[in-house]
Amino acid sequence: KAGVTQTPRYLIKTRGQQVTLSCSPISGHRSVSWYQQTPGQGLQFLFEYFSETQRNKGNFPGRFSGRQFSNSRSEMNVSTLELGDSALYLCASSSGTGGSEAFFGQGTRLTVV
Amino acid sequence: QKEVEQDPGPLSVPEGAIVSLNCTYSNSAFQYFMWYRQYSRKGPELLMYTYSSGNKEDGRFTAQVDKSSKYISLFIRDSQPSDSATYLCAMFGSGAGSYQLTFGKGTKLSVIP
Repeated sequence: KAGVTQTPRYLIKTRGQQVTLSCSPISGHRSVSWYQQTPGQGLQFLFEYFSETQRNKGNFPGRFSGRQFSNSRSEMNVSTLELGDSALYLCASSSGTGGSEAFFGQGTRLTVV
Repeated sequence: QKEVEQDPGPLSVPEGAIVSLNCTYSNSAFQYFMWYRQYSRKGPELLMYTYSSGNKEDGRFTAQVDKSSKYISLFIRDSQPSDSATYLCAMFGSGAGSYQLTFGKGTKLSVIP
């Protein structure tokens, strides 16, 4: 069974640009959650999508947005990039039942210069 | 007070030692508890998942949950150099106004041959 796939693995962007990251969940999983990981703050929850709808949201500004497609694949978009957005962005796949096990992808390393 | 507290270490032990990793939490709404292992430049890997107080064993790993004290632990027996990684505790429930996984900052473990 294939795991969670995130693309691209690495990105370098300039301040002010926007970026789109992609996540393909485990087959059969309907929930995709996104997290930002930095050395200072650790893993922080961005949002969760379930059946193409945003079901939960963390405390990030509106520059961070996402969407989910009918095949459960998800994309995350960050607009007007800031230096502080440099981080490892991780997505997690789960069945969507509350509290079910969450499996992570390898992440996308975003560097903003 | 942060919702989840985890000693960042670093923790260095000799090969074969028993390792004890701990997290405390303040949110009584947390219902599900997980431990992840994260190698450098990789995504977190789910090690243990539990939702009740008590012990759960899987090979060399034992997860312990004490809901009355809001305290969880991960024990690693006969530690190996391949166990060298960052260990993250995670808890699922209503946190910061939404249902999400809330993570500790992680404990960096080194097992010395």
